[in-house]
Amino acid sequence: DVKVTQSSRYLVKRTGEKVFLECVQDMDHENMFWYRQDPGLGLRLIYFSYDVKMKEKGDIPEGYSVSREKKERFSLILESTSTNQTSMYLCASSFLALRYGANVLTFGAGSRLTVL
Amino acid sequence: DQQVKQNSPSLSVQEGRISILNCDYTNSMFDYFLWYKKYPAEGPTFLISISSIKDKNEDGRFTVFLNKSAKHLSLHIVPSQPGDSAVYFCAASVLQGGSEKLVFGKGTKLTVNP
Repeated sequence: DVKVTQSSRYLVKRTGEKVFLECVQDMDHENMFWYRQDPGLGLRLIYFSYDVKMKEKGDIPEGYSVSREKKERFSLILESTSTNQTSMYLCASSFLALRYGANVLTFGAGSRLTVL
Repeated sequence: DQQVKQNSPSLSVQEGRISILNCDYTNSMFDYFLWYKKYPAEGPTFLISISSIKDKNEDGRFTVFLNKSAKHLSLHIVPSQPGDSAVYFCAASVLQGGSEKLVFGKGTKLTVNP
């Protein structure tokens, strides 16, 4: 089974602090994604990556950056947190794309960030 | 602009009955559709998918129906069980700039009462 591991399950930070969320997958997947989930808003794509050192903006990239130095690792960086970044952050990975018969997205357990 | 809409934020059904969760989409370029289930404090897990060239896909108690002309899909769970209580997300896939992108709805919280 594909395993997507998010390093921190729960974090509490103060406004302006830096946050580094790490995600590791163990199945050699090309694609990795960061979403945030908020009540009433569903899952919204922040950034994604289709290869090492490659990144593309999703629907809500403002206030976030990412890093993918190794294929198995995709990090989400919040340089200076604000209260509106309080959310559940979900990392996911997949191999190729659905239309090519590949696997669907596999999600990690999530990281609950609270910014005070 | 919300491209994938789940208009019912919640649904409550009795154990043993059918649960029907609905999803509408606006982008005709979507060509794969998926349903994910999410329990509290866990990541979403894949449930079932359907290609736009099909109108039905079945997996055990779960069936997804696609009506392309109406841009509507639905998830049927028969019979519903208390363990099915979760938030269900509809998602649609599209190729954008050579990359595949998944767009999620806001979710429907299903409660199955014993």
